[in-house]
Amino acid sequence: AQKVTQAQTEISVVEKEDVTLDCVYETRDTTYYLFWYKQPPSGELVFLIRRNSFDEQNEISGRYSWNFQKSTSSFNFTITASQVVDSAVYFCALRQNYGGSQGNLIFGKGTKLSVKP
Amino acid sequence: EADIYQTPRYLVIGTGKKITLECSQTMGHDKMYWYQQDPGMELHLIHYSYGVNSTEKGDLSSESTVSRIRTEHFPLTLESARPSHTSQYLCASSEWRTGGRETQYFGPGTRLLVL
Repeated sequence: AQKVTQAQTEISVVEKEDVTLDCVYETRDTTYYLFWYKQPPSGELVFLIRRNSFDEQNEISGRYSWNFQKSTSSFNFTITASQVVDSAVYFCALRQNYGGSQGNLIFGKGTKLSVKP
Repeated sequence: EADIYQTPRYLVIGTGKKITLECSQTMGHDKMYWYQQDPGMELHLIHYSYGVNSTEKGDLSSESTVSRIRTEHFPLTLESARPSHTSQYLCASSEWRTGGRETQYFGPGTRLLVL
């Protein structure tokens, strides 16, 4: 079975703090894709990153960084020097590779991040 | 990145009315999706389509129906709205790529309130 777990339901930090959002996944596939999306209060889901299972290099994009570790089945997301505009719900997702649902995403339940000034 | 449009953005309607939520994308993506999201944040896939004349039910059972007559258009219809249908509905699309490299891009969502 495939599953994505985001154990942190809500996180609250003060501006300029670093914050890490955890994502743990389960899959028996050897090839798979993981995603992070951001959902600001306006409601749309914004794509942040896609990572395939063969690429374990950490990725950095400005204040955002992602730590992918196959050994622990984790794909954690860190925001450095958080800002109020980072306040949103963040979703981690795993792509299904087989069966009738091939290509569909399995989402975690999301982590609500509140950044206070 | 895809351009996906959803209308209306907000809808307040009475019980028993028939409603259609519109979703269009301009990137020629093959696959399209509808998700339902309640205030508790969790996303549920309710319908998807691989292309024209293809529609499939998602993981969450829904009383809504969908159609895919044109590549760019994937409307969702509720024949008789009920308060239990109150939710946010998100449309997404992706371009099919070998090896699973496709990415889903989302529209702005429709917030539906059924009184």
